[in-house]
Amino acid sequence: GEDVEQSLFLSVREGDSSVINCTYTDSSSTYLYWYKQEPGAGLQLLTYIFSNMDMKQDQRLTVLLNKKDKHLSLRIADTQTGDSAIYFCAEIQMDSSYKLIFGSGTRLLVRP
Amino acid sequence: EPEVTQTPSHQVTQMGQEVILRCVPISNHLYFYWYRQILGQKVEFLVSFYNNEISEKSEIFDDQFSVERPDGSNFTLKIRSTKLEDSAMYFCASSERGLLSQGNQPQHFGDGTRLSIL
Repeated sequence: GEDVEQSLFLSVREGDSSVINCTYTDSSSTYLYWYKQEPGAGLQLLTYIFSNMDMKQDQRLTVLLNKKDKHLSLRIADTQTGDSAIYFCAEIQMDSSYKLIFGSGTRLLVRP
Repeated sequence: EPEVTQTPSHQVTQMGQEVILRCVPISNHLYFYWYRQILGQKVEFLVSFYNNEISEKSEIFDDQFSVERPDGSNFTLKIRSTKLEDSAMYFCASSERGLLSQGNQPQHFGDGTRLSIL
């Protein structure tokens, strides 16, 4: 089956690191994505990782993938108030060329 | 940076009426998608489209739904006879490639159309 789970809410202080977690059930997942949704806006692609990688870093963003535990995380260093948004993880599976499976989203609140 | 644009941003329609949601994908993209997000629920895949035909569709995408690429730039989602449960945010997305054999194909999303059925 296909299921992607995320915690619903995370609150951090400005300047701290944020870690948003995601678990997935289908071991045939190939690419895993992180999207950001600001209020009233669409889904902005932040970063992605291929399933044969363990880690990917892109400026303040670090993605960690634990394939054994089917666990994906997004770390945001030096979190800013502008990072407040909903963060979705999503996967694409080997048996589907087209369909993204989304988690329920984690609402990140950055306190000044 | 090129982006996917959707119109209108908000559509209010009476139950039973037909509605057409419009999207202009990124110009060099070949694969097009519709997703929806009912309030408080997950973003769900509806349909993908390539080479003027549906590539894949979900169980949600029943006979009431149809998609079309009427010209070289627009991609539309039509709901023939709307129901209350069709109320949701509808997202259009596009990607340059669609097949996993061709490597990664990140999907780029529009800002969505909020559909409210009365």
